[in-house]
Amino acid sequence: AQSVTQLDSHVSVSEGTPVLLRCNYSSSYSPSLFWYVQHPNKGLQLLLKYTSAATLVKGINGFEAEFKKSETSFHLTKPSAHMSDAAEYFCVVSDLGNQFYFGTGTSLTVIP
Amino acid sequence: DTGVSQDPRHKITKRGQNVTFRCDPISEHNRLYWYRQTLGQGPEFLTYFQNEAQLEKSRLLSDRFSAERPKGSFSTLEIQRTEQGDSAMYLCASSLRQHQETQYFGPGTRLLVL
Repeated sequence: AQSVTQLDSHVSVSEGTPVLLRCNYSSSYSPSLFWYVQHPNKGLQLLLKYTSAATLVKGINGFEAEFKKSETSFHLTKPSAHMSDAAEYFCVVSDLGNQFYFGTGTSLTVIP
Repeated sequence: DTGVSQDPRHKITKRGQNVTFRCDPISEHNRLYWYRQTLGQGPEFLTYFQNEAQLEKSRLLSDRFSAERPKGSFSTLEIQRTEQGDSAMYLCASSLRQHQETQYFGPGTRLLVL
């Protein structure tokens, strides 16, 4: 069975400080893992994906994530938060691309 | 704008009525997915198509729900005898089979059942 657990439902950071959004996964297969972002009243947008290549994955807007099999984690980071990063972030695991299992989301607030 | 469109964007209906939503994927995408997202939750998988074939359905998809993709292009999701618990955002996504792990999401249809 596939599932993801997003460890924080809300994260607040000051503008210019690092962002860490935590995700742990469970998968019976070699998983594909993703982070999506959802801005208010906008559609889900893919930030980055891991599909068994390099364990450190770089995405759009300065985000990156590291796949750690030993810890079953795929945490999302960004060195310096920007006001425009405020949004809902979803960690997603996929079994062979047939079904996609979303976490419950982490709401990121960026304080000016 | 990802290139995936959904219609309508909002729908208000009374309990017991039927509703139908449409999704137009990116034209060359052969996979199409439907999800449901309730407030404060992540999207939940409902079903997916490869071309016109419906390959998988979630247990969430009760017999009141039916989805079609008759010509392998646009898809419709129908809910019969709507219930208040059906109120949610219904999301459509599409992908290429050879890059099936990368989905492009539409803006969603927000359904409110009164």
